[in-house]
Amino acid sequence: DTEVTQTPKHLVMGMTNKKSLKCEQHMGHRAMYWYKQKAKKPPELMFVYSYEKLSINESVPSRFSPECPNSSLLNLHLHALQPEDSALYLCASSPRAGAIDTQYFGPGTRLTVL
Amino acid sequence: KQEVTQIPAALSVPEGENLVLNCSFTDSAIYNLQWFRQDPGKGLTSLLLIQSSQREQTSGRLNASLDKSSGRSTLYIAASQPGDSATYLCAVIVNSGGYQKVTFGTGTKLQVIP
Repeated sequence: DTEVTQTPKHLVMGMTNKKSLKCEQHMGHRAMYWYKQKAKKPPELMFVYSYEKLSINESVPSRFSPECPNSSLLNLHLHALQPEDSALYLCASSPRAGAIDTQYFGPGTRLTVL
Repeated sequence: KQEVTQIPAALSVPEGENLVLNCSFTDSAIYNLQWFRQDPGKGLTSLLLIQSSQREQTSGRLNASLDKSSGRSTLYIAASQPGDSATYLCAVIVNSGGYQKVTFGTGTKLQVIP
């Protein structure tokens, strides 16, 4: 299995909803990432999970909350989002912990906040 | 702060032509540089990774070079095909304060005309 899977593919939510995005990889990779990509912009790194620790980009609002239940699964919990949070959310993984080598990306979740 | 720029922003070429995409970065203390392609609304596919100690990497019709001293990387695509049409992104990874940061370039949208 050489792919990163993300669910759901599309998500529409209101500003008062709570939802979660799921990312899974079965390649035995030791690092996983969440990116946010606005239309016609490059991806921006939100969170890194490596060495069984989460590194947080301090510019990411607290309404985004990552969770790593095990080494192959990375969730992103969403709460009280704003319309400007609408974007493509990409998950990626790489083989080694502590060093960002070749990243394998999932297909993304298209999020729309109403 | 690392800034990564890609020129040109868009490129249209006839099938069969050889082409060069450029990536410039401001902080030369990089860990590695990666090239990706992204099809519309999709995730990213890794093309090539160049470690900071390397000068170039090749995969099939693709060749990527790295010149850290001048803060530049190029992606050479030989004998372009319509299937190469996509947005190409470079990503620069640097070590910062005990963890790594990823900065994506602005992207080059390539169209190969049959």
